[in-house]
Formats: sequence, structure tokens, C-alpha cells
Amino acid sequence: DIQMTQSPSSLSASVGDRVTITCRASQSISSYLNWYQQKPGRAPKLLIYLASSLHSGVPSRFSGSGSGTDFTLTISSLQSEDFATYYCQQTSNTPWTFGQGTKVEV
Amino acid sequence: QVQLQESGPGLVKPSETLSLTCTVSGDSISGYYWNWIRQPAGKGLEWIGRIYTSGYNNYNPSLKSRVTMSVDTSKNQFSLKLNSVSAADTAVYFCAKGTYYERLDWFDPWGQGILVTVSS
Repeated sequence: DIQMTQSPSSLSASVGDRVTITCRASQSISSYLNWYQQKPGRAPKLLIYLASSLHSGVPSRFSGSGSGTDFTLTISSLQSEDFATYYCQQTSNTPWTFGQGTKVEV
Repeated sequence: QVQLQESGPGLVKPSETLSLTCTVSGDSISGYYWNWIRQPAGKGLEWIGRIYTSGYNNYNPSLKSRVTMSVDTSKNQFSLKLNSVSAADTAVYFCAKGTYYERLDWFDPWGQGILVTVSS
């Protein structure tokens, strides 16, 4: 299985901060990398697909980059509604696997 | 817009079979991959597997021996069966729509999730 490792596991930030979350794959996954946001008690929501494509309706302050093994999710100016847990997911090889999550908190 | 809703028992006894159904509304189930994902309390996401509307499937090898997925296009539903459950299978189970590509896959939308507890 391809292992996905996110860093950090959690971070403290304030409204207006620029936030960067990284995701590293245990082997090359090309650009088959998605990002999701999950709030407590809710289902995850798709933010970014194919490493850098912004899903419809997602604010432009979210962006993704990377290819191969190293990927980044950036929130350019953190808003109050962005406090949540973020997961990366690879779809290069089954089984699809997720990172362990990064919790963004105050 | 497409909406997904999980249904099934919230409590299953150890060694028995967990059975869940996901009902899709707002669009036809045909022509896409449909996924099951689970999340133990306070933990991360685990992909259980997916099924295409032809019946073709991919299961996570860690669960493959216990998992069966099926699809009913006439009811716009797909289902999950997980047998020989134990406490380790206690989790929130989500269904989610995939794409129609083999690898170019992402999950959107997701169902709200259903908590399944394995306990006697």
C-alpha cells in the first residue's frame, strides 16, 4: 500500500494567517492526489483534486501544488470557517489511502 | 444535485454481518464508481472499496476477505456487507460518489455517515 504522511499533525493559527500543510507519498503518485476538509461530526468535503485543481464552489484561498511524492495544500488567508481537519488521499494505486490528517485549530 | 444517504443497523453483534445501503438521489447511479469509507471515532479515514455500476469492484486488501459490495441500478442504491465483525469494525461508515475513471478518482459528494457499533 502507498503510505501518505501529512505534516504537521496539528497546527495553531489565527484568522488571516497563511497556512501550509504538506503530504508525502511513500512512492511516486504522479498527480493523483486529492485534499478534503472535515469538520467535527460532518462528512469530508472535496477541496482539491488532481493535486492542484480547485473543486467547484471552493474558495480561491485554497490551493494545491506538487507532483510525484511531495504535495502542499495552502490556505492563503485563514478564515474562521476553515478551522477543521484536512486529509490528503492518493488514487494512483489501489487501495486508495489517506493521510492521517492535519487539524487546524486556534 | 446528487445526494447520498446511508442506512442500516446502528448496532451489530460480534461475529455477525454488517449490512449498509447507500441511496443516491438527484442523478442516476449508472456510469460511476461508488465508494465506502469508514472512520473510527477520533481517527482517520480508511477506504473500504468501490464498485462500478457494471459490478466491477476494488476492495481494500486489508478487508477483502470479509467485504462484499453490490449495486442495484433499479433502486439507485449500492450496498456494503462486512462479515465476521468485531469491535475493531466500530466506526462511522460513509458512502461517496467517485468518478468514472480508473485512477482519476475523487470522492464527491459524501453521505452524512452512519455510526455502526459492534457490541453484544
